[in-house]
Amino acid sequence: DAGVIQSPRHEVTEMGQEVTLRCKPISGHDYLFWYRQTMMRGLELLIYFNNNVPIDDSGMPEDRFSAKMPNASFSTLKIQPSEPRDSAVYFCASSHPGQGAATDTQYFGPGTRLTVL
Amino acid sequence: ELKVEQNPLFLSMQEGKNYTIYCNYSTTSDRLYWYRQDPGKSLESLFVLLSNGAVKQEGRLMASLDTKARLSTLHITAAVHDLSATYFCAVVPWMDSSYKLIFGSGTRLLVRP
Repeated sequence: DAGVIQSPRHEVTEMGQEVTLRCKPISGHDYLFWYRQTMMRGLELLIYFNNNVPIDDSGMPEDRFSAKMPNASFSTLKIQPSEPRDSAVYFCASSHPGQGAATDTQYFGPGTRLTVL
Repeated sequence: ELKVEQNPLFLSMQEGKNYTIYCNYSTTSDRLYWYRQDPGKSLESLFVLLSNGAVKQEGRLMASLDTKARLSTLHITAAVHDLSATYFCAVVPWMDSSYKLIFGSGTRLLVRP
């Protein structure tokens, strides 16, 4: 398996522009997570999905952020409009808890480094 | 609210030495994870610890879990340069069926020749 795939790997945009980050989870994984990593706040969970349904979006910072999962193999995280404070590395992770906690390890994608000027 | 604290936050050590990284968490949990992150890279799963007294080892790294003390340790034996990375612990709150991971701040490890 290719692992979790994210695109783009790097994104530089100007304040006010719309940004869309993409994620393809590992095939067969039914949980998908979006995280943000910054020096100041560390790793934060933004939102996660189970079977394409958003379960908990309490970590989404504000209404400018939205996430969708139209099918089991694709998710997007959109920021509109973007602001300089959104600059961070955004990771997507997936897991398949299966029959117990022993199998629920989250596998992370390579991340998208977002810079908002 | 579950909080996860790691210490030290930064560790510089010589090759061949031993050291321990500590991970404390504030509420009951039955699952603890250790991840490694190389600079500019993604997170790689190292260990999953599921019960009190659990111990897992991989090469020069050994992780243990004490659920009563709410403490996990990551012990490094005879460190080598290749172990230089940032190590994160992460916890799922007890009886939380969400699979949400709460991460510690990370310990940046630098192994010097």
